[in-house]
Amino acid sequence: KAGVTQTPRYLIKTRGQQVTLSCSPISGHRSVSWYQQTPGQGLQFLFEYFSETQRNKGNFPGRFSGRQFSNSRSEMNVSTLELGDSALYLCASSLAGTSSYNSPLHFGNGTRLTVT
Amino acid sequence: GNSVTQMEGPVTLSEEAFLTINCTYTATGYPSLFWYVQYPGEGLQLLLKATKADDKGSNKGFEATYRKETTSFHLEKGSVQVSDSAVYFCALSEAGGSYIPTFGRGTSLIVHP
Repeated sequence: KAGVTQTPRYLIKTRGQQVTLSCSPISGHRSVSWYQQTPGQGLQFLFEYFSETQRNKGNFPGRFSGRQFSNSRSEMNVSTLELGDSALYLCASSLAGTSSYNSPLHFGNGTRLTVT
Repeated sequence: GNSVTQMEGPVTLSEEAFLTINCTYTATGYPSLFWYVQYPGEGLQLLLKATKADDKGSNKGFEATYRKETTSFHLEKGSVQVSDSAVYFCALSEAGGSYIPTFGRGTSLIVHP
């Protein structure tokens, strides 16, 4: 079974630009979550999508947005990039059924975004 | 709200040493508990989990026991290898909650030959 795939692996952007990251979950997984990982702040939750609807949202500004398609693939977008957006962005999928609290997250290898 | 506290790293050990990484949690109900590991250049992957009090999760020589009385889920391994060098995250997830796990800040482990 293929794992979670994130593309691209690396991105270099300039302040003020926008960026779109892509995530393909494990087949059959309907929940996709996004996290930002930095040395200073650790792992921070951005948002979670389930069946094309945003079900949970972390404490990030509106420049960070996402969506999920009918095939469960997800994209996240960051507009007007700032230097502080440089981070590893991780996507995770899970089964997210009624007993989802027992279901672990399956992470991709992330997209390393550098903003200059 | 829920929270997870892990010991700060880095933890530096010699090969074959005994490992303990402490994790304590605060939750309003009865959470499931997880340890994830992140190897350099990779995403997190599940190492082990426990879903009720006194359960012991184990995998790849690592163990952790769900201790409700002390709200702890400490990770242990009897003999670490250089290949265990990674960052370890403790996490909890609660029934009836938001489906989003609460993660600790991670503990870096460095194992020297």
